[in-house]
Amino acid sequence: QVQLQESGPGLVKPSETLSLTCTVSGGSVSSGSYYWNWIRQPPGKGLEWIGYMYYSGSTNYNPSLKSRVTISVDTSKNQFSLRLSSVTAADTAVYYCARTQSGTTYFDYWGQGTLVTVSS
Amino acid sequence: DIQMTQSPSSVSASVGDRVTITCRASQGISSWLAWYQQKPGKAPKLLIYAASSLQSGVPSRFSGSGSGTDFTLTISSLQPEDFATYYCQQANSFPPTFGPGTKVDIK
Repeated sequence: QVQLQESGPGLVKPSETLSLTCTVSGGSVSSGSYYWNWIRQPPGKGLEWIGYMYYSGSTNYNPSLKSRVTISVDTSKNQFSLRLSSVTAADTAVYYCARTQSGTTYFDYWGQGTLVTVSS
Repeated sequence: DIQMTQSPSSVSASVGDRVTITCRASQGISSWLAWYQQKPGKAPKLLIYAASSLQSGVPSRFSGSGSGTDFTLTISSLQPEDFATYYCQQANSFPPTFGPGTKVDIK
């Protein structure tokens, strides 16, 4: 059974960089069968896809965030990471990591989510 | 981006009721649609993919239909554990986008 677990600071100051890590167990981020995604949900609001990375290192980002987002992988730790720069209060959200299978964009496994608050 | 809308935004229902939620895409997405269930403080859970395919382990009281721009999620007999918020999501083109959600609560 695949499990994903987000980790990182719960509080980030405005203009700084948000950094989160997703640790995958029961599966490998090096598998060519899956894409590894980040999705966020502001408190009380809907879901927004941030981007994905593939084991080869290729990435795809939401154009609305593309200039500020970097997703990377650490295959030795079976982890992938999110960096979001120049954050504002609008970036306050629960951040989820999630898996999709190659050829589809259906999110079949999710982490539990981690709340990141942007505040001074 | 493809915009997704859902109706109603909320519905009050009783255990045993049949509940139908509608999702509409701003342009045709064939059958590239998923439905998710989210309970408070939890991650969304995939229920239906490809508009009508039931994800493994999901009870058969959940069903999906539609293609093109109009889709429905039906819960044939609402159970206590089904009270939650439901989201549709298009998987036709990037970026994948979600509907605003439909909250199913207790009547």
